[in-house]
Amino acid sequence: AQTVTQSQPEMSVQEAETVTLSCTYDTSESDYYLFWYKQPPSRQMILVIRQEAYKQQNATENRFSVNFQKAAKSFSLKISDSQLGDAAMYFCAYMGGGGADGLTFGKGTHLIIQP
Amino acid sequence: GAVVSQHPSRVICKSGTSVKIECRSLDFQATTMFWYRQFPKQSLMLMATSNEGSKATYEQGVEKDKFLINHASLTLSTLTVTSAHPEDSSFYICSARGRDRGSETQYFGPGTRLLVL
Repeated sequence: AQTVTQSQPEMSVQEAETVTLSCTYDTSESDYYLFWYKQPPSRQMILVIRQEAYKQQNATENRFSVNFQKAAKSFSLKISDSQLGDAAMYFCAYMGGGGADGLTFGKGTHLIIQP
Repeated sequence: GAVVSQHPSRVICKSGTSVKIECRSLDFQATTMFWYRQFPKQSLMLMATSNEGSKATYEQGVEKDKFLINHASLTLSTLTVTSAHPEDSSFYICSARGRDRGSETQYFGPGTRLLVL
């Protein structure tokens, strides 16, 4: 079974600074997808960024980028120019089965933005 | 972006009653819908995968007779918690993905908070 590990229960960063959230995963599959989701206090899950395992290029979405190291099974999220609205729980998630399976989530990282 | 709705947003029921939660994809056809459960301050756990027109696939440890899932159309899936007990109190979230290649991304509903007294 696949597992996703987020080793940082909580991270704190100053507004406008950069923060990196860590995620590692374990799988024997070759075709899979990785995601970062954000869950604010409203509990609505919001997609931040996605990465296809077959793509070598790291995904970027505005201030959000990932460092995808396939051999090391690592998928970290970098948030640049942190904003107060970035404060939330961040979940790393794995989808196997070539994209057909449900998501396996890590335990989450609570991100605090210091004004 | 794709929009998924859930109804109701919160429900309180007495122990022993059944509760139905609806999940709808509003602007796309969802061939597959997923149901997750989230306990306070914990992560999401996949309960079951629902494909339109076929029986749901349940994760290990999830009682299929207790959590009835129906995916009767390409825009609607329902989760019925039968004979609910206080330990079923939780936050239930659905997600949906479309039919086209490249639509592996799951879009989530806003969740339903269930409290069983």
